[in-house]
Amino acid sequence: NAGVTQTPKFQVLKTGQSMTLQCAQDMNHNSMYWYRQDPGMGLRLIYYSASEGTTDKGEVPNGYNVSRLNKREFSLRLESAAPSQTSVYFCASKLSRSGANVLTFGAGSRLTVL
Amino acid sequence: QQQVKQSPQSLIVQKGGISIINCAYENTAFDYFPWYQQFPGKGPALLIAIRPDVSEKKEGRFTISFNKSAKQFSLHIMDSQPGDSATYFCAASMNSGNTPLVFGKGTRLSVIA
Repeated sequence: NAGVTQTPKFQVLKTGQSMTLQCAQDMNHNSMYWYRQDPGMGLRLIYYSASEGTTDKGEVPNGYNVSRLNKREFSLRLESAAPSQTSVYFCASKLSRSGANVLTFGAGSRLTVL
Repeated sequence: QQQVKQSPQSLIVQKGGISIINCAYENTAFDYFPWYQQFPGKGPALLIAIRPDVSEKKEGRFTISFNKSAKQFSLHIMDSQPGDSATYFCAASMNSGNTPLVFGKGTRLSVIA
């Protein structure tokens, strides 16, 4: 079982460039999330998708867009990257069934914007 | 406004000692309180979780203590080992965990021999 797979693992961008972070899960989970992790800031929610076909903003959505392509895949797009978006990005998924509240995280994507 | 406040930011403990990490929350609608453990280069993973109907939950060397009236909860690691060295995040959510988790800022724990 691969769990939650994120690509790419590392990426360097120039200011103003665009890119998409890909996330796929093979656990038949309903909900998927994108968090960013910055030193001293913990994990902050960017966007989430409670179920296929729905997306909602989290705490820090500005500068990002998301697409829930199907039940397995949830992508995060930076349309015009800024240095403030330098971070480690984590995708996570959850079954969203009563009693099943465990988030499974991917290994992370480290993004540097110059 | 930070919904979950975690302290300390970093912690150094001798091998065999007790590690204690504290969290406080404001939103009384929170009803699910997990702790996640993250090793360098990896994503966080669930360590242990508690609901407010109990004051303590223990799994092996890890214990969550929960004080509903004070709106605080803490993680205790007994007999701390070098392999416990990691970053620990407390979190909270509503509706039995069906709303997105709100995380604390994390505590970097180093257990030294």
